[in-house]
Amino acid sequence: KNQVEQSPQSLIILEGKNCTLQCNYTVSPFSNLRWYKQDTGRGPVSLTIMTFSENTKSNGRYTATLDADTKQSSLHITASQLSDSASYICVVMLNTGFQKLVFGTGTRLLVSP
Amino acid sequence: NAGVTQTPKFQVLKTGQSMTLQCAQDMNHEYMSWYRQDPGMGLRLIHYSVGAGITDQGEVPNGYNVSRSTTEDFPLRLLSAAPSQTSVYFCASSVSGTEYYGYTFGSGTRLTVV
Repeated sequence: KNQVEQSPQSLIILEGKNCTLQCNYTVSPFSNLRWYKQDTGRGPVSLTIMTFSENTKSNGRYTATLDADTKQSSLHITASQLSDSASYICVVMLNTGFQKLVFGTGTRLLVSP
Repeated sequence: NAGVTQTPKFQVLKTGQSMTLQCAQDMNHEYMSWYRQDPGMGLRLIHYSVGAGITDQGEVPNGYNVSRSTTEDFPLRLLSAAPSQTSVYFCASSVSGTEYYGYTFGSGTRLTVV
């Protein structure tokens, strides 16, 4: 069964601190892995997209890593800001005739002043 | 602003009523899709379209209909609303549904069926 699991479910950090969110997947055949940020009451917004051959992808203070051998990804947030408070969703795209997306349930991050 | 526009933002329906959730994009994207987001679950695909006149079912299509008469619009119809359809609905578009292209999501419609 194709699954994407994220940890932790929720996280509270102080403003200015760094944090790392984890994503493990059991998806086949793999096409690419995406991280999305979802603010409360809004739709998901794309942060990064990584294919099988990419190990790291950055978008400002967000850095995603991918280990295709262990089927793990992480999202590292540097020097957190209050605006980083959101849910972060890991999504894997299958390499099928129709490019199916498998969504994780997300990590809810709260950045406290 | 360019993007995906969903209306309405909130809706309350009685069981058995029908309604249409609207979705429009102005990016000339060929691929459009509808997802539902429920607590404790990842987004699940309801229906999708790879171009005007072409639609197909996703993983949870029962109780929903779609059509795609123009590139810009992709409405989702609830035929006879049920409490199990209480959810947040997101429309998304992409240049194509394949490979490396990112998806742009609308801001969602929160639907409650009583």
